[in-house]
Amino acid sequence: AQSVAQPEDQVNVAEGNPLTVKCTYSVSGNPYLFWYVQYPNRGLQFLLKYITGDNLVKGSYGFEAEFNKSQTSFHLKKPSALVSDSALYFCAVKDGGATNKLIFGTGTLLAVQP
Amino acid sequence: ETGVTQTPRHLVMGMTNKKSLKCEQHLGHNAMYWYKQSAKKPLELMFVYNFKEQTENNSVPSRFSPECPNSSHLFLHLHTLQPEDSALYLCASSQDRDTTGTGELFFGEGSRLTVL
Repeated sequence: AQSVAQPEDQVNVAEGNPLTVKCTYSVSGNPYLFWYVQYPNRGLQFLLKYITGDNLVKGSYGFEAEFNKSQTSFHLKKPSALVSDSALYFCAVKDGGATNKLIFGTGTLLAVQP
Repeated sequence: ETGVTQTPRHLVMGMTNKKSLKCEQHLGHNAMYWYKQSAKKPLELMFVYNFKEQTENNSVPSRFSPECPNSSHLFLHLHTLQPEDSALYLCASSQDRDTTGTGELFFGEGSRLTVL
């Protein structure tokens, strides 16, 4: 079965510093990987996805993610964090089959200090 | 107006009540989903509808009853719930253009349910 793991419940970073939110995956077949962000009292918003092609994927709000097949990882990164980036981040993998059903990780709370 | 609208945003109900959550998508998508989000747990997929037909039920208790009258509307009917059913219920939609299904999900802002 497809699954993703987010090993960190919370990541703390100072504003202006680079940030990384970790995600590892386990899939059979080609991985379709996603990152979503959830701001307080809001639904999830799509950030970026990896389907095929370039291992470095660029997304919304200056975020990017690097697909690493050998390490089965898909870490989310941003060169310079903003206080407004503070939110809950979810990694997800598309489940096998024809629909867009996604399997989500437990989420990582990103806290950016001013 | 957002692409996926959920009402109500907040709902408090007793264990003997009957209520419904509503979701409407304005994106022309053909698939709709209900997810349950509880604290410290992964999002749990509850139901999937594709072209109004239910394609997945992830062993959800019968006290949750979905209804999809058309591709734009999705309901979750609630009755005799338990306190542990308190959670944020998220609706999502997607466009399944082909069998690879590589499109992303678009989420509503959720309905926060509290069962007393």
